[in-house]
Amino acid sequence: ETGVTQTPRHLVMGMTNKKSLKCEQHLGHNAMYWYKQSAKKPLELMFVYNFKEQTENNSVPSRFSPECPNSSHLFLHLHTLQPEDSALYLCASSQSSDATEAFFGQGTRLTVV
Amino acid sequence: QKEVEQNSGPLSVPEGAIASLNCTYSDRVSQSFFWYRQYSGKSPELIMSIYSNGDKEDGRFTAQLNKASQYVSLLIRDSQPSDSATYLCAVIVWANRDDKIIFGKGTRLHILP
Repeated sequence: ETGVTQTPRHLVMGMTNKKSLKCEQHLGHNAMYWYKQSAKKPLELMFVYNFKEQTENNSVPSRFSPECPNSSHLFLHLHTLQPEDSALYLCASSQSSDATEAFFGQGTRLTVV
Repeated sequence: QKEVEQNSGPLSVPEGAIASLNCTYSDRVSQSFFWYRQYSGKSPELIMSIYSNGDKEDGRFTAQLNKASQYVSLLIRDSQPSDSATYLCAVIVWANRDDKIIFGKGTRLHILP
């Protein structure tokens, strides 16, 4: 059973909708990540938060807006998405003070119509 | 530029044989290395971590690390059809006063029944 939980597991939204993805970790980690994985493509790192502070934004379009209210929760707010944004969105966490492995949530399968 | 490189495959291995997956990395000071397994449409699952030169065995899996040559490999003995998946190599690198996890693009492994 994963210590990283993502909701919803599946999401279908129109291009004019606003929705949010939620990630929660119960592992006591201080770093959280958003990844995007499109069909038959490798993982793409989107955002990194370390101790609630954003430390990396990999040139992600502004229609994706992350929020990290505390070390246990991470959100990805979505608005005016495009069909090409349809993908599996994965949240991960790791202990930032030492170099350790990342643990992934089950992902949210997003379809933009 | 920090990079983790893997052959994308597919790598086809007969059932019962040894599957050998390789990964090279460019950051000489990397200290932590991981192998993840990802089934199609699912999130990555950590299967091995290795921090010291040499071999580390866990069941049918053996991770091998050679820091001098900057490569890490994963051997799967007695390959089973259920081992068919994409295997991601991940390396902790130090960048911008912080450490982060860099994933390779993954190697698709196909076990032939």
